[in-house]
Amino acid sequence: EAQVTQNPRYLITVTGKKLTVTCSQNMNHEYMSWYRQDPGLGLRQIYYSMNVEVTDKGDVPEGYKVSRKEKRNFPLILESPSPNQTSLYFCASSLGSSGYEQYFGPGTRLTVT
Amino acid sequence: QKEVEQDPGPLSVPEGAIVSLNCTYSNSAFQYFMWYRQYSRKGPELLMYTYSSGNKEDGRFTAQVDKSSKYISLFIRDSQPSDSATYLCAMRSYSSASKIIFGSGTRLSIRP
Repeated sequence: EAQVTQNPRYLITVTGKKLTVTCSQNMNHEYMSWYRQDPGLGLRQIYYSMNVEVTDKGDVPEGYKVSRKEKRNFPLILESPSPNQTSLYFCASSLGSSGYEQYFGPGTRLTVT
Repeated sequence: QKEVEQDPGPLSVPEGAIVSLNCTYSNSAFQYFMWYRQYSRKGPELLMYTYSSGNKEDGRFTAQVDKSSKYISLFIRDSQPSDSATYLCAMRSYSSASKIIFGSGTRLSIRP
């Protein structure tokens, strides 16, 4: 089944404890992206990648890191999480590098205390 | 001011009604326009996308872009309870690589 998977789906952590949210797609898509979704603010793009080893900042990259060493994986790293990073996170992928026909993962609910 | 504005709703209409969902934007460089549907506790799924101005129809859904007014719409005909969801508009410019800006979403409820 063609899909985007994220792990974990739910995570509660403490301020400053490094964490990684994994994202994987099995559709051989070139484009991958991370978003956070907050009430009243909608989906905001954190980082995106148009291909392996090519990443760029979205609208809200502060406090996040990404890497794209393989086409199928695009992990999101929070080196020192803070409470304002409590949010619902979505990974997405797209066949073309333009990114406008995106397939989204199921989401990761992160709480930082 | 946000680049993309969308009324959050909630919007409640009876089954069978025509629904109109709208977004306005400020960046005249936006060329690609998308509508996503998001059910509760799920990731968004693409409904339609259009390039530049004009209309595009897909079944009960019609997307409309008016670049002169910086205004896009999604119409849903013969609305069904299964259409109850949050609808997000999204857009990007041709020149800004693949940075995509989403609206905050409109919550729609179709009453049986």
